[in-house]
Amino acid sequence: AQSVTQPDIHITVSEGASLELRCNYSYGATPYLFWYVQSPGQGLQLLLKYFSGDTLVQGIKGFEAEFKRSQSSFNLRKPSVHWSDAAEYFCAVGTYSGAGSYQLTFGKGTKLSVIP
Amino acid sequence: DAGVIQSPRHEVTEMGQEVTLRCKPISGHNSLFWYRQTMMRGLELLIYFNNNVPIDDSGMPEDRFSAKMPNASFSTLKIQPSEPRDSAVYFCASSLKAGGASTDTQYFGPGTRLTVL
Repeated sequence: AQSVTQPDIHITVSEGASLELRCNYSYGATPYLFWYVQSPGQGLQLLLKYFSGDTLVQGIKGFEAEFKRSQSSFNLRKPSVHWSDAAEYFCAVGTYSGAGSYQLTFGKGTKLSVIP
Repeated sequence: DAGVIQSPRHEVTEMGQEVTLRCKPISGHNSLFWYRQTMMRGLELLIYFNNNVPIDDSGMPEDRFSAKMPNASFSTLKIQPSEPRDSAVYFCASSLKAGGASTDTQYFGPGTRLTVL
């Protein structure tokens, strides 16, 4: 079965500093990969996604992520963090079962705090 | 587009009562998903519909949970009877599954925060 690991539960960075959130997945084939952001009391907003092609994908709000097949990773990066980026970030993998059923499996999330 | 709409946003009920959560997917989307989010278990997929038909309900925790999608623009998740351990945020998401070229990108509603006393 597929799984997603976000090893960092909580990260604190200073405003203006760079950011990298880690995500590792376990799946036998190339999955669909997603990053979502959740602000307090809100739903999940899609930041970016990878299906195929260029392994460096650009998303909204200045975020990017790089798919590394050899490391089974899909880390999220931002060169300069803004205070409004404080939120919880979820990595997810989308997979199909043999019966055609589609499932999105989420990591436990990484909470980002930003110091002004 | 209004996005995925969920109601109510907050629900407080007593143990044993019936709870019904509602979802209106994005117009034109043909897949709908119900998730539950808790601190302990994170985000869990409960059930998934494609073209109004339940495809995978293996995540539904117990028979007390049921979900329906009577038409393409409406779905319900019902808990009867409710228990305190059902307290969580329940999210609905929708996507457009377009055959082999499906993007399978899910768009989430704001969620319903359920508290069972």
